[in-house]
Amino acid sequence: QVQLQESGPGLVKPSQTLSLICSVSGGSISSGSYYWNWIRQPAGKGLEWVGRVYTNGDPDYNPSLKSRVTIALDTSKNQFSLRLSSVTAADTAVYYCAKNYYDSSGYSLRAFNIWGQGTMVTVSS
Amino acid sequence: DIQMTQSPSSVSASVGDRVTITCRASQDISTWLAWYQLKPGKAPNLLIHGASKLQSGVPSRFSGSGSGTEFTLTISSLQPEDFATYFCQQGNIFPAFGGGTKVEIK
Repeated sequence: QVQLQESGPGLVKPSQTLSLICSVSGGSISSGSYYWNWIRQPAGKGLEWVGRVYTNGDPDYNPSLKSRVTIALDTSKNQFSLRLSSVTAADTAVYYCAKNYYDSSGYSLRAFNIWGQGTMVTVSS
Repeated sequence: DIQMTQSPSSVSASVGDRVTITCRASQDISTWLAWYQLKPGKAPNLLIHGASKLQSGVPSRFSGSGSGTEFTLTISSLQPEDFATYFCQQGNIFPAFGGGTKVEIK
């Protein structure tokens, strides 16, 4: 069973770049045809999809964040990353990595069935 | 972009109560709708996908219905472990979540 674990600094200064890693265990990130996602939840607010990367490395981003987000695969380390530039207090949130849910035929069910525990990132000077 | 409007934002209920949460999409999403349960400090848990398909391991007191733009999550008999926050999510081109519903103890 695939498991995900987020890691990265818990505190980032305003205007700097937030960098997080999602480590994948129990399976290879480069096998199959899967989407690997980043999702965040600001305190007291709802969930927001940040973006995703496909097994071939192609990313998709939330249009509202697209100018500041980079999501990439690192197959040698079996992990994928999130970089969010020019952060402000509005980027303070719990950040989750998640894998799309697939049926036995490999068809995406357009939901997320595997999540990491989440990591809190605070943007503050 | 497809917007998801979830209601109510919070509900107070007692153990054994029936609880219904509604999610409305700003345009037709067929049955590409999922429901999640969130508890503090834990990974979100997928409850329902495809609007009405119960995820393996999820108790049968949870059920989902709807298609198009109107969707419902129902907990038929609330249990102590069900006090949590629930989110809907549309699975169109780019995913988006509803604002969440916090189920609190009455």
